[in-house]
Amino acid sequence: QSALTQPASVSGSPGQSITISCTGTSSDVGGYNSVSWYQQHPDKAPKLMIYGDSNRPSGVSNRFSGSKSGNTASLTISGLQAEDEADYYCSSYTSSTTYVFGTGTKVTVL
Amino acid sequence: EVQLVESGGGLVQPGGSLRLSCAASGFTFSNSWMHWVRQAPGKGLVWVSRINTDGSSADYADSVKGRFTISRDNAKNTLYLQVNSLRAEDTAVYHCVRALGGNSDSWGQGTLVTVSS
Repeated sequence: QSALTQPASVSGSPGQSITISCTGTSSDVGGYNSVSWYQQHPDKAPKLMIYGDSNRPSGVSNRFSGSKSGNTASLTISGLQAEDEADYYCSSYTSSTTYVFGTGTKVTVL
Repeated sequence: EVQLVESGGGLVQPGGSLRLSCAASGFTFSNSWMHWVRQAPGKGLVWVSRINTDGSSADYADSVKGRFTISRDNAKNTLYLQVNSLRAEDTAVYHCVRALGGNSDSWGQGTLVTVSS
């Protein structure tokens, strides 16, 4: 199972919006409403930010939103803040009854 | 409060074995699918395995199939991962995860497995 494809890095200034893409296939991203997004700060465990393609868990800021079109999912962070600087990973269930993560994106707040 | 505490990691020689454990508390363990996810130093997240609520069904990543075995003891609220025939590329922090990708998704801090001679 190949990793989902994400850009290696994305950057933005405080207050701006950025979008991270996550590209898979019809056997994973495009086949199920199961894309989730994780935020990971250095030496910390990942934190769920979005589940089921576009749902936000309780306690997660509404500045984070998820969407999907075909085999590509996206995470948008609006009103970028310094605390958003972290690594972000997407994940999807697959037709092989396994899960696959994305390659990861480093978000830098300029 | 949900807590997942992993243990059992350490330094092991290539070809060796370990049994990782994850002690769960703060939720009804027997109602939750559980997963193991690993992360090599400086690298990305990789899904390893999952097990259903009563332990009767499990799935594995191709890279560990036949070498790793996931299991659980619902009476002890504990998840396990038996890792055999270890290779250098298995070196990683192994995280225990509740309900990966769902609304109740929760992660432990992980236990480090280092495979080296």
